[in-house]
Amino acid sequence: AQSVAQPEDQVNVAEGNPLTVKCTYSVSGNPYLFWYVQYPNRGLQFLLKYITGDNLVKGSYGFEAEFNKSQTSFHLKKPSALVSDSALYFCAVRDRMDSSYKLIFGSGTRLLVRP
Amino acid sequence: DVKVTQSSRYLVKRTGEKVFLECVQDMDHENMFWYRQDPGLGLRLIYFSYDVKMKEKGDIPEGYSVSREKKERFSLILESASTNQTSMYLCASRDAAEQYFGPGTRLTVT
Repeated sequence: AQSVAQPEDQVNVAEGNPLTVKCTYSVSGNPYLFWYVQYPNRGLQFLLKYITGDNLVKGSYGFEAEFNKSQTSFHLKKPSALVSDSALYFCAVRDRMDSSYKLIFGSGTRLLVRP
Repeated sequence: DVKVTQSSRYLVKRTGEKVFLECVQDMDHENMFWYRQDPGLGLRLIYFSYDVKMKEKGDIPEGYSVSREKKERFSLILESASTNQTSMYLCASRDAAEQYFGPGTRLTVT
């Protein structure tokens, strides 16, 4: 069965420091991988996705994520955190062979960037 | 820009009421989805639809039904609301690249 794990409920980081939000997945075959962000009282916004090719994917707002096939991970990173990055982050996976385009989401990680 | 709208941001209903949550997308997408979001559980798929009048159960369909009479509109129905259906409900539609989400409806069942 497909699954996504986000092992940290919350990540705390000081503004200006690098941040990492972790994600590991379990899916048969080669997955599509996504990161979404949710600001308070808002829906989810797409940040970035991995389809194929370069393992380092760049996305919106200065975020990037690294696909590591051997570790089945897709960690979200940013070199310098901003207070405005504080939000709830979701990792998601889709099976390439699934014609329904269903996404399987992790439980979410709350990022808190302190001034 | 893709726009997915949901009929209500906040809704309070009583146990046993029939509840309709409406979702409309303006990009002619074929696939639409309903999720519920609960703390610590992430988003869980309730139902999805890949065409008008076509629907499939997701991971947690019990207590819910859906309706898709027109391509742009996908409705989630709680036939008899229960307190354990208090949650945030998110609708999404997709193109070839990604899913686009509405702002969500926070439903409270008392």
